[in-house]
Amino acid sequence: QKEVEQDPGPLSVPEGAIVSLNCTYSNSAFQYFMWYRQYSRKGPELLMYTYSSGNKEDGRFTAQVDKSSKYISLFIRDSQPSDSATYLCAMSAGYNFNKFYFGSGTKLNVKP
Amino acid sequence: DVKVTQSSRYLVKRTGEKVFLECVQDMDHENMFWYRQDPGLGLRLIYFSYDVKMKEKGDIPEGYSVSREKKERFSLILESASTNQTSMYLCASRKGAAGANVLTFGAGSRLTVL
Repeated sequence: QKEVEQDPGPLSVPEGAIVSLNCTYSNSAFQYFMWYRQYSRKGPELLMYTYSSGNKEDGRFTAQVDKSSKYISLFIRDSQPSDSATYLCAMSAGYNFNKFYFGSGTKLNVKP
Repeated sequence: DVKVTQSSRYLVKRTGEKVFLECVQDMDHENMFWYRQDPGLGLRLIYFSYDVKMKEKGDIPEGYSVSREKKERFSLILESASTNQTSMYLCASRKGAAGANVLTFGAGSRLTVL
């Protein structure tokens, strides 16, 4: 079983829709949770970072962490065609700051 | 803005050539990483470095070596390139223990080995 599972998609939505992206994980020691956005042929850019549980909001983006269910989510409100990209979740534990576990990425397409 | 710069965005090399991929960060980060990214396999760690001249093997170090002579620069070396090393290579850096535990990535170097 992979440490981090993420549905690869593709996920296709109309412009303006609310998008929900999710990852599940198996290691209860994970404390640091990240969402990266990666445009085609570019490097991943950090979108959201959350430490431990709870929600974090930044503009149209909301990250949620549910440690009891080992489940993290990224919500995108009022999605735009410019949001079309691959979204990667990543996480790490407190006992090894240099070890990161990545999801395989979900490809999102927002249609105008 | 924090920056990780990979000087070569696209490279085409022949089998058996020695290949150097360079990465420079301007954030005074202690830790630097090399990943490769392949469809269906995700990101896999090749090597990382936690200090100048210090390195540790990641999950797939075979066929690769690294060099970190200065804090800001981390090089990935393919001693004898093979076709199965055709991939997207991503450099990343991370601050030391203090602060958010996140990676900052470069734009990537797409290597094709013929």
